[in-house]
Amino acid sequence: SQQGEEDPQALSIQEGENATMNCSYKTSINNLQWYRQNSGRGLVHLILIRSNEREKHSGRLRVTLDTSKKSSSLLITASRAADTASYFCATVPNTGTASKLTFGTGTRLQVTL
Amino acid sequence: DTGVSQDPRHKITKRGQNVTFRCDPISEHNRLYWYRQTLGQGPEFLTYFQNEAQLEKSRLLSDRFSAERPKGSFSTLEIQRTEQGDSAMYLCASSLAGRSVGEYFGPGTRLTVT
Repeated sequence: SQQGEEDPQALSIQEGENATMNCSYKTSINNLQWYRQNSGRGLVHLILIRSNEREKHSGRLRVTLDTSKKSSSLLITASRAADTASYFCATVPNTGTASKLTFGTGTRLQVTL
Repeated sequence: DTGVSQDPRHKITKRGQNVTFRCDPISEHNRLYWYRQTLGQGPEFLTYFQNEAQLEKSRLLSDRFSAERPKGSFSTLEIQRTEQGDSAMYLCASSLAGRSVGEYFGPGTRLTVT
């Protein structure tokens, strides 16, 4: 079963604009990760944020985590056409199997020229 | 290339047939995961190995599904008596225990059951 939902389900922006995707989850987590998936391909790990962290940066990516609201956001700045993909958040639970990922429903991002 | 590889990339089979997929993880990774992804959804966890031990199985993994990881290297996922509802992308991922850097995914095997 899916852990939670992502919002929006689909997002269309122009190249150079920023894209923000939100993720909500349901249970206590050890960490939250964001992945990108190009159409029909495997997933690529983007960034991991631990439950005791509030914000993390990696290149043009900025991730925030609010454990009190059980939510996270992914910001992609200065978007490029190559950023067109589906983006998924995935959580690792605080108890039980280490590293087992539970994915959200994903946001489909379209970046146009 | 030393990434995760999966074989075959595509499989079309008739309902009732058995199919087997193979995953070769990154060589030093001791953890291996199988996920299933249907169109428009995020991947769903199926099962997980640490070395050769299968440590967890999802309730999604009915008794028609079996996974093995002999010698803690490659893994196989077999589906017996396939049903149309088994049509999905089957993804394999690997990681190294103790390193919180996410999982490395293979390209997936797309199964179509007709």
